[in-house]
Amino acid sequence: GAVVSQHPSRVICKSGTSVKIECRSLDFQATTMFWYRQFPKQSLMLMATSNEGSKATYEQGVEKDKFLINHASLTLSTLTVTSAHPEDSSFYICSARDQGQGASGNTIYFGEGSWLTVV
Amino acid sequence: QKEVEQNSGPLSVPEGAIASLNCTYSDRGSQSFFWYRQYSGKSPELIMFIYSNGDKEDGRFTAQLNKASQYVSLLIRDSQPSDSATYLCAVNKWGSYIPTFGRGTSLIVHP
Repeated sequence: GAVVSQHPSRVICKSGTSVKIECRSLDFQATTMFWYRQFPKQSLMLMATSNEGSKATYEQGVEKDKFLINHASLTLSTLTVTSAHPEDSSFYICSARDQGQGASGNTIYFGEGSWLTVV
Repeated sequence: QKEVEQNSGPLSVPEGAIASLNCTYSDRGSQSFFWYRQYSGKSPELIMFIYSNGDKEDGRFTAQLNKASQYVSLLIRDSQPSDSATYLCAVNKWGSYIPTFGRGTSLIVHP
């Protein structure tokens, strides 16, 4: 299947600082990427949909000024958690949509996820 | 009614048995259906997708889709302890490429 790489896998930051998470599609072009957050033993929560070259679409209740998303190229989207606080500690997962023809069309592949701990 | 519903489980099966995971969805116009496996502390990984009514087999996995009854299931034959994970069902509504995920079913395969 397609490969989506996410970096860093784990990050610890101090309260009040910002942290950037990168998501790359390695073997396909992804015009659309998604960012999810998942708390332990909870389901995936879609935060925003990121479209290359345009502003991200945020889900209700997600602060767009706190979670900055940039999708500047067809293979890279970034999520920046600004002024992080301990309650932002979570597992952040990106995914990318493979629009390839045939069987892979519109299939979503996930990155490895990033554990964020804010201390 | 939730858009995509799964029994949270846990579903416990003995090693070597068939595990049957079910998912129902509310939007009758849904077109694409996916099963993902998520190990604890890891991100989901795609197992298989299905678009047409009927069965689709891939190794030990079989996805079954019944659009008339609005359910999709995943069968795992010869279950192994390494299959123990949470299985997520995802559905794309007609005209949308944004998948809606169920809450997942926890599967435990005991030796």
